[in-house]
Amino acid sequence: AQTVTQSQPEMSVQEAETVTLSCTYDTSESDYYLFWYKQPPSRQMILVIRQEAYKQQNATENRFSVNFQKAAKSFSLKISDSQLGDAAMYFCAYRSEKNYGGSQGNLIFGKGTKLSVKP
Amino acid sequence: EAQVTQNPRYLITVTGKKLTVTCSQNMNHEYMSWYRQDPGLGLRQIYYSMNVEVTDKGDVPEGYKVSRKEKRNFPLILESPSPNQTSLYFCASSPAFGTGGQETQYFGPGTRLLVL
Repeated sequence: AQTVTQSQPEMSVQEAETVTLSCTYDTSESDYYLFWYKQPPSRQMILVIRQEAYKQQNATENRFSVNFQKAAKSFSLKISDSQLGDAAMYFCAYRSEKNYGGSQGNLIFGKGTKLSVKP
Repeated sequence: EAQVTQNPRYLITVTGKKLTVTCSQNMNHEYMSWYRQDPGLGLRQIYYSMNVEVTDKGDVPEGYKVSRKEKRNFPLILESPSPNQTSLYFCASSPAFGTGGQETQYFGPGTRLLVL
């Protein structure tokens, strides 16, 4: 079974600086998707960025970028020029492209990293 | 506006009193899913549906039921709620696999449930 591990329960960053959140995963599959979701105090789940495993190029979305290391099964999120609005819980998630065990489409989440941004 | 809606957003109930949390999406998505979020555990899938009348169990289905009679709606039913079902619940949807864009799930705003 696939697992997702976020080893940093909490992180802190100074406003305008850069922070990297770590995520590792375990899978025997070759085709899958990886995601970072942001959950602010409102509890809404907001997609930050996604990465297709078959793409070697790291995904970027404005101030957010990932470092995808497929062989190492690592998927870290870098937030540049951190803003107060970036403070939230961040979840790393995995989704298989294929229907294994009848759970096609099942998002497997890590336990989250709480990010604080200091002014 | 493309969205997933859930009702109610907040619910306090007592043990054993049947309840339904509704979920509706306006994006014509085939795939819909329910998750629960608990502190320190992340989000875990309860049930999912690949299309109308096609549903299956996720990782934590005990104590829950679902139905998919219409494409846009996917209600979550707790026939006899217990305190261990106190949680934050999310509904999500996405296009079917193989249709393009299927990899991303869109989440509803969440329903916070307290079972006394």
